[in-house]
Amino acid sequence: EAGVAQSPRYKIIEKRQSVAFWCNPISGHATLYWYQQILGQGPKLLIQFQNNGVVDDSQLPKDRFSAERLKGVDSTLKIQPAKLEDSAVYLCASSLGVSGTAVETQYFGPGTRLLVL
Amino acid sequence: AQSVTQLDSQVPVFEEAPVELRCNYSSSVSVYLFWYVQYPNQGLQLLLKYLSGSTLVKGINGFEAEFNKSQTSFHLRKPSVHISDTAEYFCAVRADSWGKLQFGAGTQVVVTP
Repeated sequence: EAGVAQSPRYKIIEKRQSVAFWCNPISGHATLYWYQQILGQGPKLLIQFQNNGVVDDSQLPKDRFSAERLKGVDSTLKIQPAKLEDSAVYLCASSLGVSGTAVETQYFGPGTRLLVL
Repeated sequence: AQSVTQLDSQVPVFEEAPVELRCNYSSSVSVYLFWYVQYPNQGLQLLLKYLSGSTLVKGINGFEAEFNKSQTSFHLRKPSVHISDTAEYFCAVRADSWGKLQFGAGTQVVVTP
């Protein structure tokens, strides 16, 4: 079974530029998560989707970050304009997303490493 | 709200020696507890999880963890490490069955011959 796919793996941009990341979750997984992992810290949830609806985006800086999952499968995360402090690894994860069942495991992709200069 | 504290940012250990990684959490409700491992330039991989029942949880690669409710701890142990265990280890909590994970800052384990 294929895992969570992310692209690109690395991206270098200058501040004030825009950037987009793509994630394709494990087939059949209804829940998709985007995490930001700053160097030396644990991952922090930015946004959680259930199918194509947003469940939690309380920690997403909405003035510059946006995310969508239009068809309930793959997802894109965009930053516009980027700031120096956005330098981080952006991790995508997915889980089955069947509410009311046993506690679900989140499966993580390899991440996109962003450097803002 | 929940929070997680990993008490050691880095743990050096010799090959074949035991290792313990400490994790403490705080929460006003019952939580589910997880340990993830992150190898260089890779995503996170689940090592083990505590949901309920026996407080001693066994995971992959010979790791185990013990849930201690009175001390609000979930320490990770391995009796004999290999060079390949060099990685960063994250403790995480979740308050519901499919909500967001709250991660600690991570513990870097460096195994030397």
